[in-house]
Amino acid sequence: EPEVTQTPSHQVTQMGQEVILRCVPISNHLYFYWYRQILGQKVEFLVSFYNNEISEKSEIFDDQFSVERPDGSNFTLKIRSTKLEDSAMYFCASRLQGYTFGSGTRLTVV
Amino acid sequence: SQQGEEDPQALSIQEGENATMNCSYKTSINNLQWYRQNSGRGLVHLILIRSNEREKHSGRLRVTLDTSKKSSSLLITASRAADTASYFCATDARDTGRRALTFGSGTRLQVQP
Repeated sequence: EPEVTQTPSHQVTQMGQEVILRCVPISNHLYFYWYRQILGQKVEFLVSFYNNEISEKSEIFDDQFSVERPDGSNFTLKIRSTKLEDSAMYFCASRLQGYTFGSGTRLTVV
Repeated sequence: SQQGEEDPQALSIQEGENATMNCSYKTSINNLQWYRQNSGRGLVHLILIRSNEREKHSGRLRVTLDTSKKSSSLLITASRAADTASYFCATDARDTGRRALTFGSGTRLQVQP
């Protein structure tokens, strides 16, 4: 069964550093998403991406965040100047009809 | 309450018993989905029920949807220790322009062997 692949599975970074979280969505899917889950809290929508541009973003997705689909297969989330409160699980998802989620990247900002 | 709130927040049962989790939401929806998450792991899609459906089955899972009450329930029958996980409902809202899912806070299910 096709999968959404996320790398790395765990990333530790110093506060103020930039991180790039990577995702390989399912190849024939058209919609791509990033969600995050702070430990013990609900999964929150960050951004959706369609036709090579952001189609919607939440209030969480401020100027420190950006997304790219640089080469037609990878889908990346960049967090500039990370803060302690950015520590969370970040999930990528892709959708044609139904959603498929990746297994997440646990980001720890120290 | 927020869109997609589950209750109970936590549920502990014995193996073999049935587990029922409920979800309430606020806006009109296209569909409602249930996901499972093992501790610290990814989200696994369990079942999707469309707004024009009232009940759906998949193996030991039974989902109901009452759009008049804006609520859904997930029933896991004959539970197993391996069913221990957090379960989330997520709504795909209608007519808001948003095609992203809105998740609830989840129910933590503990199945005692």
